[in-house]
Amino acid sequence: AQSVAQPEDQVNVAEGNPLTVKCTYSVSGNPYLFWYVQYPNRGLQFLLKYITGDNLVKGSYGFEAEFNKSQTSFHLKKPSALVSDSALYFCAVRGPVRSGSARQLTFGSGTQLTVLP
Amino acid sequence: NAGVTQTPKFQVLKTGQSMTLQCAQDMNHEYMSWYRQDPGMGLRLIHYSVGAGITDQGEVPNGYNVSRSTTEDFPLRLLSAAPSQTSVYFCASTPAGGRAVNGYTFGSGTRLTVV
Repeated sequence: AQSVAQPEDQVNVAEGNPLTVKCTYSVSGNPYLFWYVQYPNRGLQFLLKYITGDNLVKGSYGFEAEFNKSQTSFHLKKPSALVSDSALYFCAVRGPVRSGSARQLTFGSGTQLTVLP
Repeated sequence: NAGVTQTPKFQVLKTGQSMTLQCAQDMNHEYMSWYRQDPGMGLRLIHYSVGAGITDQGEVPNGYNVSRSTTEDFPLRLLSAAPSQTSVYFCASTPAGGRAVNGYTFGSGTRLTVV
């Protein structure tokens, strides 16, 4: 079974500082990895994905994520945080696309990011 | 606008009542899923469908039924509501194969309270 762990429920960072939101995963085969963001009372919005290729993936709103196969991690990063980045962030994994069940996303528990002015 | 539409946005039910949460997408996506979101638990998969006429159970299927008679619609039925089903429900869809560029597209959610 596939799983995702987000070890931090809450991350606080000052505006202008770099931010990191951690994610580790477990899946059979090569993973498909995703980051989503959720603003209050809204649905989830796609930020970025890793399927294959470069380990550093760039996404929306200046976010990027680094895939590390040996550490089974996919940490979300941004060089300079904005107050508007404050939201709930979810990491998700999907297994190799060979079966219907493997296509389904498994989510982490979420990390609340607060950027302080 | 293209996307995933969920109705209603808010609902209050009494214990034992039944209801259907509606989900429709106009992107011709083959795969559709229902998730529930609870504090500290992320999103958990309830049921999913890989195409019209095909459904399967996810992680937390008990108390819920689904059907997929068309590509566009994927309703979620609560048979006899319980307070434990108080949650925010999200419907999501994604195309099959190489068209799944950006992962899933999510609806805006249905906030359900069972009293």
